[in-house]
Amino acid sequence: DTAVSQTPKYLVTQMGNDKSIKCEQNLGHDTMYWYKQDSKKFLKIMFSYNNKELIINETVPNRFSPKSPDKAHLNLHINSLELGDSAVYFCASSPPWANYGYTFGSGTRLTVV
Amino acid sequence: RKEVEQDPGPFNVPEGATVAFNCTYSNSASQSFFWYRQDCRKEPKLLMSVYSSGNEDGRFTAQLNRASQYISLLIRDSKLSDSATYLCVVNSDDGQNFVFGPGTRLSVLP
Repeated sequence: DTAVSQTPKYLVTQMGNDKSIKCEQNLGHDTMYWYKQDSKKFLKIMFSYNNKELIINETVPNRFSPKSPDKAHLNLHINSLELGDSAVYFCASSPPWANYGYTFGSGTRLTVV
Repeated sequence: RKEVEQDPGPFNVPEGATVAFNCTYSNSASQSFFWYRQDCRKEPKLLMSVYSSGNEDGRFTAQLNRASQYISLLIRDSKLSDSATYLCVVNSDDGQNFVFGPGTRLSVLP
């Protein structure tokens, strides 16, 4: 019974396309996140979202947009994909209390060709 | 100064060795600290939280030094299965989320 699940696991697409990655958590956590891990393996926050507030990392291009239909889901939409968007995207969730840390999904490996 | 810094390694150690990683952070107001482990092509997984008084979980010991703004992870009696990248995690300057260090790669050799 997967706690944080992402789909698809792999995504290969052409430049200029629009794609979405879905994320669902069944942990009852209040906050969900999207992280990007590039080829150098750095994990960088893209968005954090709870049912009250969306916090955007200002370095993220506005081609990326999170969509949350409800507390258990946070999807990532990407418009006009570019070669530099190729990376692994991880969804994560956490409860309100600080010392719990995150639970990550298994990642979506996006390749833009 | 970057928010979280780690020696990228790799650390290549023989089985049974003791190995220690350090991590420095810039936000003196940080309150939450963790070590995560990430296996190749997998997601990061929480290894342990780091408490002010230091804490131990089996072969793993974590320490926090607030004055010098660093945390450490000590692994005793290394196993082959300990081979992974170890990520230091600290809450961000604005307190809204967590910042991950670049990770330290460990290879335990037979």
